[in-house]
Amino acid sequence: DAMVIQNPRYQVTQFGKPVTLSCSQTLNHNVMYWYQQKSSQAPKLLFHYYDKDFNNEADTPDNFQSRRPNTSFCFLDIRSPGLGDAAMYLCATSIGTGGGYTFGSGTRLTVV
Amino acid sequence: AQKITQTQPGMFVQEKEAVTLDCTYDTSDQSYGLFWYKQPSSGEMIFLIYQGSYDEQNATEGRYSLNFQKARKSANLVISASQLGDSAMYFCAMREGGQAGTALIFGKGTTLSVSS
Repeated sequence: DAMVIQNPRYQVTQFGKPVTLSCSQTLNHNVMYWYQQKSSQAPKLLFHYYDKDFNNEADTPDNFQSRRPNTSFCFLDIRSPGLGDAAMYLCATSIGTGGGYTFGSGTRLTVV
Repeated sequence: AQKITQTQPGMFVQEKEAVTLDCTYDTSDQSYGLFWYKQPSSGEMIFLIYQGSYDEQNATEGRYSLNFQKARKSANLVISASQLGDSAMYFCAMREGGQAGTALIFGKGTTLSVSS
């Protein structure tokens, strides 16, 4: 089945130690999104790629970076995680014009 | 101002009863889409139902229906015959305009608890 896969499901990282979360898709969708969802809150968009074009939200901290080496993969890099970065990180894809959004299962990040 | 408002932090319902989860939205775009997602405790976002702004009929998907009142800017989710497995967080979300790559904007969610 075509899908969006996020690895790992659970990630524990140390305060200040760089961490990378990954997302892959078999849907061949143009657009990939990264959302941050803190406990009991709404998902908040961090950034998205339309093909190779990167679009950063104005309030996304510089600590968060992203890479999309090809259509299938997208990475979220947190350069120096703080305790406040503990959250669920959701990756989603869409075809770009209309259509729906497909979400991965998320990566739950714990910072110790 | 919030784009998506879900005023019910938590809702409680008994099995086999119907429940309505409220959602109001704010946009000046003529073209937009409204989505409902279910998020169990495991965290994945499960798509439930979609309503386009130009759709004249309310969307239905099995036990889910969307009560779309465009003039009132509301898009309430109705779950008929609730099941224990419906217990989860429910999010209303909107895509504004028709521009390619537009992201979803989410409301704060409603936690639904179904009891036997």
